[in-house]
Formats: sequence, C-alpha cells, structure tokens
Amino acid sequence: NAGVTQTPKFQVLKTGQSMTLQCAQDMNHNSMYWYRQDPGMGLRLIYYSASEGTTDKGEVPNGYNVSRLNKREFSLRLESAAPSQTSVYFCASSRDDINTDTQYFGPGTRLTVL
Amino acid sequence: DQQVKQNSPSLSVQEGRISILNCDYTNSMFDYFLWYKKYPAEGPTFLISISSIKDKNEDGRFTVFLNKSAKHLSLHIVPSQPGDSAVYFCAASDRGGATNKLIFGTGTLLAVQP
Repeated sequence: NAGVTQTPKFQVLKTGQSMTLQCAQDMNHNSMYWYRQDPGMGLRLIYYSASEGTTDKGEVPNGYNVSRLNKREFSLRLESAAPSQTSVYFCASSRDDINTDTQYFGPGTRLTVL
Repeated sequence: DQQVKQNSPSLSVQEGRISILNCDYTNSMFDYFLWYKKYPAEGPTFLISISSIKDKNEDGRFTVFLNKSAKHLSLHIVPSQPGDSAVYFCAASDRGGATNKLIFGTGTLLAVQP
C-alpha cells in the first residue's frame, strides 16, 4: 500500500518546454488534488477532481491543465513552462467521507524552470 | 485575500516545554479545521483536526483549541520533542460546500531545541 505516489521527484525545464507530472493513489479515494508550495505562500490549490471524470479549477489554475485518467491517476500538465512555475508540486487524495476532510499527500515534485 | 493566516513564520522552543502554534481565519463558513505537519523533502501529513461543534480535541501530546467567536485556533504540543521540528500548516474547509477543498495557511516552522 504505497498511498500517493508522484513522478518525477525532480525536474529542470527550460522556459517554453512542456511536461506532465504524474500522480497515482492506491487508497480507492474519490477526490484528487494538485497543489503548489512556494515560500511564504503555503499550499495553493491548482486543480482538483471530485470524482473520476470531473475536474475543476482551484485558486491558481493559469498555465496548467489536468487529466483524471481513471480513479487512481490524476496528471498535471504544463504546456509552456515559465519561471513563475518554479515550485514544489504536491498531489493529494481524499476519500470524501462526510465526517472527515483528511487529504493524503504524495512526496512532491520539485520543478525548476530556467 | 488570505482566508487562513499563520502570522508567526517560525517558533523556537526548548525540548520538554510547550509549543503553541496559532492560526486565524476570516471565513465564517469554515466548519472543519486541520493541522498538517511537514518535514523537508516530504509531503504534508495529517496531524489532528477539529469540527466547529467542538472547542477542543486532544490526541496524545497534541491538542487543538478552537475559538469560533475569535475565528482563532491553536495547536499545543506538550511536551515538545526534537522530532516535532517541522513546518506546521493550519487548514480549513467548508464541508457544506460543493467539494472537499482545503484552504491552507502559510505555515509555521517549529524548531525544538534539545
């Protein structure tokens, strides 16, 4: 039971390059999320997927796209990377039990855009 | 507009003493509050939560207090241990909303000195 896994762990891109960050969970959770963490800004929600087949924008969606491939997998794509997208990206999932809002996080992807 | 605020970027305490981390929120619709702990190069992990129908929740050395009238919550760690050194994020959600979205604070770096 690996929980939430993310690939890659590190990535360096040049401005304008594209890439996809992969996320998978094995907890049979319905909801999945992508966050970015920047110094002094905390964790900010980029996109989320409340259930398989649905995606919605979070607080900072510009420059990103997502795909909820199936219940397990939720990918984040940068079509044309910019230096402002240098950040640590975290994927998370939650069961969506009415009694709990606990989200479980992956280990993160550290992205640098030059 | 920062809906969840952690005004102390850092806190240093001696081992064995009490650590008190504070969090303020502005949205009166928030009805569930969580604390996450994050070590360097790892994803955040859930620590403790509290529903708005309670004013205190305790789990071992960790206690969260909620003051709804002041829109303030705090996390108490007693006694503090060096392994508690980490960044602590406060988070809040409106469970009556459309989805399980958490709003995070900017984090407080706790350093427990041996």
